[in-house]
Amino acid sequence: AQSVTQLGSHVSVSEGALVLLRCNYSSSVPPYLFWYVQYPNQGLQLLLKYTSAATLVKGINGFEAEFKKSETSFHLTKPSAHMSDAAEYFCAVSTSGTYKYIFGTGTRLKVLA
Amino acid sequence: NAGVTQTPKFRILKIGQSMTLQCTQDMNHNYMYWYRQDPGMGLKLIYYSVGAGITDKGEVPNGYNVSRSTTEDFPLRLELAAPSQTSVYFCASIERDRDTQYFGPGTRLTVL
Repeated sequence: AQSVTQLGSHVSVSEGALVLLRCNYSSSVPPYLFWYVQYPNQGLQLLLKYTSAATLVKGINGFEAEFKKSETSFHLTKPSAHMSDAAEYFCAVSTSGTYKYIFGTGTRLKVLA
Repeated sequence: NAGVTQTPKFRILKIGQSMTLQCTQDMNHNYMYWYRQDPGMGLKLIYYSVGAGITDKGEVPNGYNVSRSTTEDFPLRLELAAPSQTSVYFCASIERDRDTQYFGPGTRLTVL
């Protein structure tokens, strides 16, 4: 069975500071991993995804994530936070051909001026 | 393309009432999903469909029903609403052999 754990339901950073949102996964087969962002009162939109190609994945809005098999992690980072990054972020896992996705419980990012 | 659309945006139901949440996508995607989102719980899969006429249960199907008579539409039915079904419901779709889900804007349902 697959699962995703997001450490920290709330994260606060100062504007301009590094953003680090943590995601660890469990999967018995090679996973596909995703980060989605949800702005208030909206649906989720894809930030980036890992599907067994390069382990360092770059996404939209300056975010990136690195797949580390040895640590079963897929942490999301951004070098410099912007006020517009305030949102809820979800990590998700799937496997090739299953088309079923398991989502983490989400991390709400707050950016302080 | 409008993408994935959901109606209504908001609804308040009384216990025991029934309703259908509508979901339509105009991207000709084969796979469609219904999730519910509760605070601090992330998204839980209710039902999904791999094509017209084919549906299957997700993690939390009890109290819900779905049908998929066309590629475009994937309605979610609540037969006897209960307070535990108060949630935000999201529909999503994906193209065959792709892996990015496209989400609708959600339906916020309150059962009193």
